[in-house]
Amino acid sequence: LAKTTQPISMDSYEGQEVNITCSHNNIATNDYITWYQQFPSQGPRFIIQGYKTKVTNEVASLFIPADRKSSTLSLPRVSLSDTAVYYCLVGDMGGGGSQGNLIFGKGTKLSVKP
Amino acid sequence: EPEVTQTPSHQVTQMGQEVILRCVPISNHLYFYWYRQILGQKVEFLVSFYNNEISEKSEIFDDQFSVERPDGSNFTLKIRSTKLEDSAMYFCASSDRGLGYTFGSGTRLTVV
Repeated sequence: LAKTTQPISMDSYEGQEVNITCSHNNIATNDYITWYQQFPSQGPRFIIQGYKTKVTNEVASLFIPADRKSSTLSLPRVSLSDTAVYYCLVGDMGGGGSQGNLIFGKGTKLSVKP
Repeated sequence: EPEVTQTPSHQVTQMGQEVILRCVPISNHLYFYWYRQILGQKVEFLVSFYNNEISEKSEIFDDQFSVERPDGSNFTLKIRSTKLEDSAMYFCASSDRGLGYTFGSGTRLTVV
């Protein structure tokens, strides 16, 4: 499994755009990049998944450069309710390894302030 | 939006007792998982289940743990003889391998 590195924490203010970058230098050809969000005492929630270039959904955008060694999750105009831990995972579709199991790191704790 | 349902939301048990955590995965998903998260720590993989058998398990999933899909809708995790260090949030998840995993809200297990 490709190891991922992301900042431990980030602070932002309401209304700002937040970009969280994840490094995955050893990403394999078949790997996808998936981001999950976790609120306290809740299970992780799938946000977005991509393979290359840019993916956008109603929640976020995911930017992946041509070499795929990093990716950036972009949250437009965050609100207080976006305060959560964000996990970057690399693996087969679903975000896991050869068996499809998700391996979570420590994630990035995003704090959104008023 | 389809959900993964877990019961109970909280469970307190005495050390050495058996507990069964229950999950109802999304109906058309084929892959099922249990994860746990000790307070303040990472989400850890326990076991994956497909086609009525365990696909993979982690070091945490020792002989005290077992999983079962007793019927077409439920997926259970049994801890045979609980220890204090089993206290954690236990999350069930399901997937169809193509669209990401859906996690339940978890069961908070407290072993006293």
